[in-house]
Amino acid sequence: NAGVTQTPKFRVLKTGQSMTLLCAQDMNHEYMYWYRQDPGMGLRLIHYSVGEGTTAKGEVPDGYNVSRLKKQNFLLGLESAAPSQTSVYFCASSATSGPTQETQYFGPGTRLLVL
Amino acid sequence: AQSVTQPDIHITVSEGASLELRCNYSYGATPYLFWYVQSPGQGLQLLLKYFSGDTLVQGIKGFEAEFKRSQSSFNLRKPSVHWSDAAEYFCAVGAAGNKLTFGGGTRVLVKP
Repeated sequence: NAGVTQTPKFRVLKTGQSMTLLCAQDMNHEYMYWYRQDPGMGLRLIHYSVGEGTTAKGEVPDGYNVSRLKKQNFLLGLESAAPSQTSVYFCASSATSGPTQETQYFGPGTRLLVL
Repeated sequence: AQSVTQPDIHITVSEGASLELRCNYSYGATPYLFWYVQSPGQGLQLLLKYFSGDTLVQGIKGFEAEFKRSQSSFNLRKPSVHWSDAAEYFCAVGAAGNKLTFGGGTRVLVKP
């Protein structure tokens, strides 16, 4: 039981390049989230998904796209990376029922540097 | 819109001393409240959560937090800090539907 895993752990991009961050969870959670973490600002929600095939915008969605084709995976895409997207990205998932509902479980993070 | 304020950006505490981290929230209804801890280079680990019931909540690693509705606060406490408690701590408020809003975090430094 790996919980929430993220790929890659670290990436350097040049401005304008694209990339996809992969999040996988093996807890059969319905809900999945992507956050970015910047110094002094806590975590801010980028996009989230309440189930396979659904996505919704969070607090800071501009410049990002997401897809949830399979229940266990949630992909975050950057079509044209900008230096302002340099950050640490965290994926999380949560259940909708049972003793752990409403509790988000986080992956280890992906550090992205955009030059 | 919901919001969370952690007034202290940094706190330095001596090993063995007590620790209290402040969290104030703004939310229109009864909130779900969480404290997470992040060690350097790591993801976030849940310390404790409050949904309803007893306003004093016990968590892992000897932490506890008290929900005070009248003060819109959910402060985190530990009676005796260990060097391994040096980390960044995040308070978060949520609602049904699981969307969380995080505070800016408090970094705790532990002096030997």
